[in-house]
Amino acid sequence: DADVTQTPRNRITKTGKRIMLECSQTKGHDRMYWYRQDPGLGLRLIYYSFDVKDINKGEISDGYSVSRQAQAKFSLSLESAIPNQTALYFCATSDLRRVGADTQYFGPGTRLTVL
Amino acid sequence: AQSVTQPDIHITVSEGASLELRCNYSYGATPYLFWYVQSPGQGLQLLLKYFSGDTLVQGIKGFEAEFKRSQSSFNLRKPSVHWSDAAEYFCAVQNQAGTALIFGKGTTLSVSS
Repeated sequence: DADVTQTPRNRITKTGKRIMLECSQTKGHDRMYWYRQDPGLGLRLIYYSFDVKDINKGEISDGYSVSRQAQAKFSLSLESAIPNQTALYFCATSDLRRVGADTQYFGPGTRLTVL
Repeated sequence: AQSVTQPDIHITVSEGASLELRCNYSYGATPYLFWYVQSPGQGLQLLLKYFSGDTLVQGIKGFEAEFKRSQSSFNLRKPSVHWSDAAEYFCAVQNQAGTALIFGKGTTLSVSS
């Protein structure tokens, strides 16, 4: 089984709809991240969390919210989806205990299309 | 501000030829550097990383990278490319606060037969 899983893998939705992307991990890592990938722009950080009570905004958090339900689960929500949120979304994890070594492990991604 | 530059958007290499993908970073202190690969339809897989010590780092799948502080570079190399290496490659640096990675925009590698 994969260490970092994302559901759904693909989603098509309409403008204005609320949508939630889910991420689960079995690596036992403390840190979790959400990124979006756009062609030609690489990966950009949306939110990150260092533990259940810690949530931090990343570079492009506007229009998104997150919830860290448990150490192993980190969800990303789009309250009112818009077409420019069409992208590939990745969840990642890393181990806080390895100080200075923020090696991140990525899920397979969720391809989101907003019509 | 910290940044990562991958000057080449797209590179085509013949199968069996050598490969070098360029990465330049801006960072004041000793950086933590990474190379990831993304195969079509897949997530990102860590190829190798540099934290300290030997500036030539070995990774998986026969890749290596060399950290050159004087040039602020961390170029990825492979002596003989295989068709299965066709993918997108991302260089990244850990930010100064140690809270996240900053990614380059990626280099797409095509392999011709």
